[in-house]
Amino acid sequence: NAGVTQTPKFQVLKTGQSMTLQCAQDMNHNSMYWYRQDPGMGLRLIYYSASEGTTDKGEVPNGYNVSRLNKREFSLRLESAAPSQTSVYFCASSPEAGILYEQYFGPGTRLTVT
Amino acid sequence: QKEVEQNSGPLSVPEGAIASLNCTYSDRVSQSFFWYRQYSGKSPELIMSIYSNGDKEDGRFTAQLNKASQYVSLLIRDSQPSDSATYLCAVIYNFNKFYFGSGTKLNVKP
Repeated sequence: NAGVTQTPKFQVLKTGQSMTLQCAQDMNHNSMYWYRQDPGMGLRLIYYSASEGTTDKGEVPNGYNVSRLNKREFSLRLESAAPSQTSVYFCASSPEAGILYEQYFGPGTRLTVT
Repeated sequence: QKEVEQNSGPLSVPEGAIASLNCTYSDRVSQSFFWYRQYSGKSPELIMSIYSNGDKEDGRFTAQLNKASQYVSLLIRDSQPSDSATYLCAVIYNFNKFYFGSGTKLNVKP
């Protein structure tokens, strides 16, 4: 099993450009998450999907949109990239959304916006 | 006030010693607590989860939870240079939202 995979691994964008970060998991998990990690800030939740067909905002959703394409895939879209969105983006999944379930992380996408 | 607080470190310990990592959280209704390890340039990986007050041991790792004082800690016994990493504390609020601390960097010196 590959676990959680993310593409691309690295990306450089110019201000105003758009892009979609892809995430897929092969663990048959119901819940998926997108985080960003900035130096000294820890991981911050952008959006999550508790189950297929549902999405909800996290702590820092502004400037992002998500799509839960099916049970396996959860994408994150930047419509008009800004330098403040330079960060490392992690996708994660868990068997269910809830207090008992730990999350498993993908390898991350390193995004630079110039 | 941040939801989850950790000392950023670095915490330096000699090889073979006990490393003690601490985390405090602000919401008394938090139910679940997790420790993740993150090597530089890599993604977080789960070390331990703890849900009830007291200690939970797994190999060289022991998680301690005190809900009344709102802190959770991680002890690493017989620390090894391979334990050198950043350790992230995570707390679940509102049923399904994880909040992470900014992490404590641990250096284990040979």
